[in-house]
Amino acid sequence: QSTLTQPPSASGSLGQSVTISCTGTSSDVGGYNYVSWYQQHPGKAPKVMIYEVNKRPSGVPDRFSGSRSGSTASLTVSGLQSEDEADYYCSSYADNNHVVFGGGTTLTVL
Amino acid sequence: QVQLQESGPGLVKPSETLSLTCTVSGYSINTYYWSWIRQSPGKGLECIGYISHSGNTNYNPSLKSRVTISSDTSKNQFSLKLTSVTAADTAVYYCARLSAAAFDPWGQGTLVTVST
Repeated sequence: QSTLTQPPSASGSLGQSVTISCTGTSSDVGGYNYVSWYQQHPGKAPKVMIYEVNKRPSGVPDRFSGSRSGSTASLTVSGLQSEDEADYYCSSYADNNHVVFGGGTTLTVL
Repeated sequence: QVQLQESGPGLVKPSETLSLTCTVSGYSINTYYWSWIRQSPGKGLECIGYISHSGNTNYNPSLKSRVTISSDTSKNQFSLKLTSVTAADTAVYYCARLSAAAFDPWGQGTLVTVST
């Protein structure tokens, strides 16, 4: 199964917004309403930030939002804070009941 | 709240079988799906597979011939076996609950090194 495509890196200044993309196909991102986003700090387990394309778990700041257009999903982080600096991964439900991940994006807060 | 904890050997010899157990507390594994994910050093995440509350399994096609995920509801645990390991299987292995195709929560992860 193929991984989803993410840019290796992204950056933004404190207080600004940044958007990370996650490109798949009609067999995954474009075909199901099950795209998730995870934040991972060094040495820690990933934490879900967005599920079902645009839903936020309780406790996740509303600065984090998700969207999708066709087979590309996006994570937007608004009002960047220093603690947002981390790796971000997308995942999607896919054909044959599989779940696939993106390669990850390192977000740097300038 | 739901907590997951991986356990098992941190060192496995090449060609042998990697075996890990995930102990779940605060929630019964008789509902939802329960999964294994790994992350090779400095690399991204890879879903190894998952098991349903009824015992149905789904595996990553690239690992399917070597993977078995099973559960023991009496102990509220589920397990991973990966046979014929090589250095490429060296990774941090996580267990996680899977719901609506989202992994949450995750265990803290355990590093398994394949080496002589």
